[in-house]
Formats: sequence, C-alpha cells, structure tokens
Amino acid sequence: QSVLTQPPSVSAAAGQKVTIPCSGSTSNIGTNYVSWYQQLPGTAPKVLIYEDNKRPSGIPDRFSGSKSDTSATLGITGLQTGDEADYYCAAWDTSLSAGGFGGGTKLTVL
Amino acid sequence: QVHLQESGPGLVKPSETLSLTCTVSGYSISSGYYWGWIRQPPGKGLEWIGSIHHSGITYYSPALKSRVTISVDTSKNQFSLKLRSVTAADTAVYYCARDWGAVNFDSWGQGPLVTVSS
Repeated sequence: QSVLTQPPSVSAAAGQKVTIPCSGSTSNIGTNYVSWYQQLPGTAPKVLIYEDNKRPSGIPDRFSGSKSDTSATLGITGLQTGDEADYYCAAWDTSLSAGGFGGGTKLTVL
Repeated sequence: QVHLQESGPGLVKPSETLSLTCTVSGYSISSGYYWGWIRQPPGKGLEWIGSIHHSGITYYSPALKSRVTISVDTSKNQFSLKLRSVTAADTAVYYCARDWGAVNFDSWGQGPLVTVSS
C-alpha cells in the first residue's frame, strides 16, 4: 500500500496539456521534496522533476512540477505519443524514516 | 557519467535469501550520496526497498525491514542487497540507483528480473 496516492490512469489528446496529481500527508509531501519519474515500457524509470519543481538537464520544459500543502502535481504540455508511459511521484516520509512511491499513473495520449 | 550494474542470481528458491550486488562505475561511492534499491513486481508499480549512505547509515522500508540488509563495500565501489525468507511475492525487477536524497534517484541500473520459484 503506497503512502502516496495517484490516479491509475489519465488521458488527453496529442498537443494538449495533462496534469497528474499525487496526494500525500504532512509527513511526506507536506514536509519533504517530491520527485517525479517517467517509466517507458521495458525501461528503468527516469527522473523528470526533483525537489518539487526542478528539471534535470535534458528534460524539456514541457514537464513541470508544483506542490501545495500535502499534494503535488506533474504537468505535461504539448503532449506527444512518445509521452505515453507510467508516471510515479516519490517522497521521503519523515514519520516512517523511509522513502515511498505513488502507485503510478498510466498516461494515454489520444 | 555514473553507471550502475546489478548482478546476482535470476532464480531463487522460496525461503532462501535473495542476494544482489550493484557495481558503480564513473563515480566513487565514498564521495557521497545515498545508494538505493527499488523493486517492481511484474505489471505493478515501484516499491522503495531501502537506501544506504557511503558511511554505512541505512534506511529500510517498514514493510521489508525485518528481512532486508543493505551494505556497502567502498573498496570495490559496490553496494549490496540481501532479502531473506523470500516467497513468490518477492518476484520482481530489482533496480539499484544513486539517490541524491529525498528519493531523488538520478541514475539507475538496468534492473534484472529475479524470480522466486522452486
């Protein structure tokens, strides 16, 4: 059972924008940074966003992260078919002294 | 550029111990950061197993803490995972990764599938 909650799936048309929410608590998202990962089929996850809203070099600015209280959101604009993947949020939980991932959200680009 | 590579048996019998080693190249573990293990059962999501600092400080998933040990060997630039008393539920792809802190994994290994079966 994940301490971070994500919807199982989201979908949007190519060229449009989509947001993926991640809900947590004061001991994880409310206190610590959030990271977001993209996992393409058959590959290892790749970090898209770290420290709530920072992008590693090479990640296009179509990807953005935001946070408010105990929830975080990944935004993707200008959707492309290549964005079809599973997306995971992650955060440290201070109460558990452990890390955790959300259950993952499958993005379908229509 | 840092590179991580997992190694270990792809098949483990129930009740035995799953052992994996992650060899790091392109970066010295002694230089810092945390080093973590993550697993993914077939068709399911990611599960954080635990992380170790180069100094040896460890953090484990509460769900696995009683069965897991993560250790580091700075002389070989490796860190390892041991998971005891495995069952079929432990069948998964096991990834090692470098952790900048706060579950920020910037470099990942390929992730071998480890199957628990007799």
